[in-house]
Formats: sequence, C-alpha cells, structure tokens
Amino acid sequence: AQSVSQHNHHVILSEAASLELGCNYSYGGTVNLFWYVQYPGQHLQLLLKYFSGDPLVKGIKGFEAEFIKSKFSFNLRKPSVQWSDTAEYFCAVNSASGNTPLVFGKGTRLSVIA
Amino acid sequence: DTGVSQNPRHKITKRGQNVTFRCDPISEHNRLYWYRQTLGQGPEFLTYFQNEAQLEKSRLLSDRFSAERPKGSFSTLEIQRTEQGDSAMYLCASSLGQEGNIQYFGAGTRLSVL
Repeated sequence: AQSVSQHNHHVILSEAASLELGCNYSYGGTVNLFWYVQYPGQHLQLLLKYFSGDPLVKGIKGFEAEFIKSKFSFNLRKPSVQWSDTAEYFCAVNSASGNTPLVFGKGTRLSVIA
Repeated sequence: DTGVSQNPRHKITKRGQNVTFRCDPISEHNRLYWYRQTLGQGPEFLTYFQNEAQLEKSRLLSDRFSAERPKGSFSTLEIQRTEQGDSAMYLCASSLGQEGNIQYFGAGTRLSVL
C-alpha cells in the first residue's frame, strides 16, 4: 500500500537550533517527493521537491532535503530555525510516471520558541 | 490573486443537509484534485479531473459525495445528507497535468456538521 510516515508529531525547538524532520515512504515505482508547509491560518505551500538528479534538494527559506533511495527516506533539514518557521510540515509522494494524486504523511507540527 | 480559489471558506450545516463547495483552479491548469483533511491528519485524496473527465475516485468518496467539472474549468464538490463524520477541511489543488508538475493548493473550505 502507498503510504508516507512522518516520525515526529510535534517538535519544539529554540531559535537557532538545527532541525531534521523524518519522512519515509512506501510507494511502488519511481517517485516524486515533496515537502509542503502550512503556516498558521494559511494554505499549503510547496517548500521543496525532488523529481530526479541530485538527491540533495534545496528549497525556500533555507530548507533542504535529501532523498536516500535505499532507505525510502526524504528527510527535511534546516541548520538554524527561526520563530517564523513555526508551522505544520507535510511530506508527500506521487508517481514520477504521471501527475497522480499526492499521498501525504500525517504532518509534523514545529513550534519554535524564542 | 491568480492562485486556487475556494468558496465558501467556512460552512456550518445541520446533519442531513446537502452542501456544495466550489473550486476555481489556476488558469490553464487542466488537472484538478480534491482532498480532505481532518484534525491531526495529512490531506487524503478524494478525486481528480483532467479537464472535464473525472479520472479517479478514492474509496473515501462514498455515494453521498459527487464532484463535477463541467467545462473543465471550475469544479464543485457536493455532499448529500451530511453526517457529523463529514466535518473536515476540503482542499482543492490544481496542476498543469504534465509529468512532474506541482500541485498548488487553495485555502480550503472548512465544513462543520452539527
């Protein structure tokens, strides 16, 4: 079955701390991978994506993610978080062979405290 | 604003009533998706269209749910005989329908069934 697992439900960090959010997927075939972010009161926005090529992808606001095919993982990282990074983060996957619906994880809520 | 637009933003209804939501995708996007998101969960796929053709429906989409995209532009999602379990955020997304394309999300319609 197609699924995405996000290991952390709620993460609390102090400003300037480093962040790593885990994401593992189960999906047949070649995949596209995404991280979406939802700031309080706002709609889902794309943070970064992996389609092919360099497994280390960089997104907006200093975020990056690494695709490790052998581990079926796509973890999100940021070296130094800011208060404005407080949001919910969703990992998602779909098939690289077509524009298919996304399968989302349950999300990780990040709270950054001053 | 040229993003995905959803109306209404909030809908409160009594159990047993019918409700209809509208989604206007980004202009020229030929794929349109409906997802449902409940508290503490990631978005779950309901159905999607390529132009006016409904290509796939999730098993989550009971026979009380129907979606249309009559002219391949805006879409409506109707829920008949609403139940309390239908309370959720209903999200719409659109994409260009090409391989590897990104889905852009609207702000959603929050349904509360009393």
